[in-house]
Amino acid sequence: EPEVTQTPSHQVTQMGQEVILRCVPISNHLYFYWYRQILGQKVEFLVSFYNNEISEKSEIFDDQFSVERPDGSNFTLKIRSTKLEDSAMYFCASSEAGSYGYTFGSGTRLTVV
Amino acid sequence: AQSVTQLDSHVSVSEGTPVLLRCNYSSSYSPSLFWYVQHPNKGLQLLLKYTSAATLVKGINGFEAEFKKSETSFHLTKPSAHMSDAAEYFCVVSDWSSNTGKLIFGQGTTLQVKP
Repeated sequence: EPEVTQTPSHQVTQMGQEVILRCVPISNHLYFYWYRQILGQKVEFLVSFYNNEISEKSEIFDDQFSVERPDGSNFTLKIRSTKLEDSAMYFCASSEAGSYGYTFGSGTRLTVV
Repeated sequence: AQSVTQLDSHVSVSEGTPVLLRCNYSSSYSPSLFWYVQHPNKGLQLLLKYTSAATLVKGINGFEAEFKKSETSFHLTKPSAHMSDAAEYFCVVSDWSSNTGKLIFGQGTTLQVKP
């Protein structure tokens, strides 16, 4: 069964550093998403991406965050200057068309120290 | 706006007994609803989905859920709990109001299965 692949599985970074989280969505999917789950809390929507542009972003997704799909396969989330409160599990998801279901990657655990 | 409310933050059952995890939704149109499971330190796995076909939806590992429009509910059930079912369960609705299909997650229900 096709999978969404996320790398790295765990990243530790110092506060103020830039991080890039990588995702390879399922090849024929058209909608791409990033979600965040702070430890012990629910999963929160960050951003959606369709037709090579951001289609919606949440209040969490401020100027420190950006997304790219540079080569038609990878889908990246960049945090420009990490803060302690960015520590969370970040999930990438993709969908062929929303109502048919969404496939999540296994997540990247980001720890900011 | 779309939303889901999981009525129990924690459910504890004995192995071999039925499981009921409750979810109510709010939607301005016919929703697509999902249940996801998350085992400790793992990712999100789709259990089942409702997309306006049959109201009783069967998923993996013996789970099923019934969409009840009159009650705005989408409760998850399983006839007999197994130790491996211990995990966090999320009720989720997709939101197409802004044409993005983003998912709105409930707060989650922790299922404990006692031997």
